[in-house]
Amino acid sequence: LAKTTQPISMDSYEGQEVNITCSHNNIATNDYITWYQQFPSQGPRFIIQGYKTKVTNEVASLFIPADRKSSTLSLPRVSLSDTAVYYCLVGDIRGGNKLTFGTGTQLKVEL
Amino acid sequence: GAVVSQHPSRVICKSGTSVKIECRSLDFQATTMFWYRQFPKQSLMLMATSNEGSKATYEQGVEKDKFLINHASLTLSTLTVTSAHPEDSSFYICSAPDSTTNYEQYFGPGTRLTVT
Repeated sequence: LAKTTQPISMDSYEGQEVNITCSHNNIATNDYITWYQQFPSQGPRFIIQGYKTKVTNEVASLFIPADRKSSTLSLPRVSLSDTAVYYCLVGDIRGGNKLTFGTGTQLKVEL
Repeated sequence: GAVVSQHPSRVICKSGTSVKIECRSLDFQATTMFWYRQFPKQSLMLMATSNEGSKATYEQGVEKDKFLINHASLTLSTLTVTSAHPEDSSFYICSAPDSTTNYEQYFGPGTRLTVT
């Protein structure tokens, strides 16, 4: 399983765009990159998943460079309710393989 | 999207007793489910993989005789913490991958266990 490195914490203000970068230098060919959000005392919630280039959904964008050794989660116009821990996971999801969580990034959004 | 439920949401038990936590996939079948433990201010730690119809696979350092896992059906996995001690107090979370959505993993809401 590829090891991931994220910043421990980030601070932002409402309305700003937040970019959280995750390093995964030993990502394998079959690995996907998945981001989860977790609020205190709740289970993680799926945000976005990608393999290469750019993926966008209604809540976020995921940018993956050609070498796939890093990825960036982009949250447009954050609000107070986006204050949470964000986890970057890398692994071969096919067949429902297990996922290993890293330390995550605590995002704090202020007014 | 798919939903995974857990029961109970919180439980308090006395030291030495056992407690069972249920994890259900409500609208999809899951041959595999995963159990995690999370201590305050820490990340999720994978405890074991629950396999329908066969034995669970435990991560290194997790006592299989203490954390009994049963995956009796394609929608239900249970984790039993036997002879619980205060150090077992934690937040227990299960997840299940949905094969119909590219194996996206759905997480339960978690169970807060407090051992007194």
